[in-house]
Amino acid sequence: QLVLTQSPSASASLGASVKLTCTLSSGHSSYAIAWHQQQPEKGPRYLMKLNSDGSHSKGDGIPDRFSGSSSGAERYLTISSLQSEDEADYYCQTWGTGTLVFGGGTKLTVL
Amino acid sequence: EVQLVESGGGLVKPGGSLRLSCAASGFTFSSYSMNWVRQAPGKGLEWVSSISSSSSYIYYADSVKGRFTISRDNAKNSLYLQMNSLRAEDTAVYYCARDLGPTSRLLGMWGQGTLVTVSS
Repeated sequence: QLVLTQSPSASASLGASVKLTCTLSSGHSSYAIAWHQQQPEKGPRYLMKLNSDGSHSKGDGIPDRFSGSSSGAERYLTISSLQSEDEADYYCQTWGTGTLVFGGGTKLTVL
Repeated sequence: EVQLVESGGGLVKPGGSLRLSCAASGFTFSSYSMNWVRQAPGKGLEWVSSISSSSSYIYYADSVKGRFTISRDNAKNSLYLQMNSLRAEDTAVYYCARDLGPTSRLLGMWGQGTLVTVSS
């Protein structure tokens, strides 16, 4: 069964960097994912597509501070030079046969 | 401007019906598969339904199968979700979302959402 696993929470200081993780279930390590950001009281926003080889393509207007990487079944979102507006929920997403699959989301707190 | 705008949400009693709409603009609507995704209060994102560009393929989450119907009108650049036999657990913000590309099922664009509240 295709499952995406995310840590429920993460925190980092203003100006620092943080690396969020999305783990694909066994047998699905070749899958590409998308990262989405949801700021408080707003709808989700597409950040980037991330392939299994670590190559990624970002959505329009997404700052260079956001980058992606991959290792095996792990997909990472790294945010550098953290700003207050980066405090948000971050979701990873992929697809299976006839379904879309979301991770449970990581709530990022900027200290 | 490239955008998706949902409408049609509101308060409905258990067992009632509601029809959501999503108006697309700024891109070739007929080239993309479209989706509905919902978010219950305080919860994460949950996929609801998908429809291919020509309506040839339609999929539903088990939680809504047999109660919800997705459809689209490419001439009107619009996506719809007919929701029947609504339950309290269907209370959520419903988002319209577009696939990233014609051959990708990753989501690349979201609307602002419309709130559906099912309560007596």
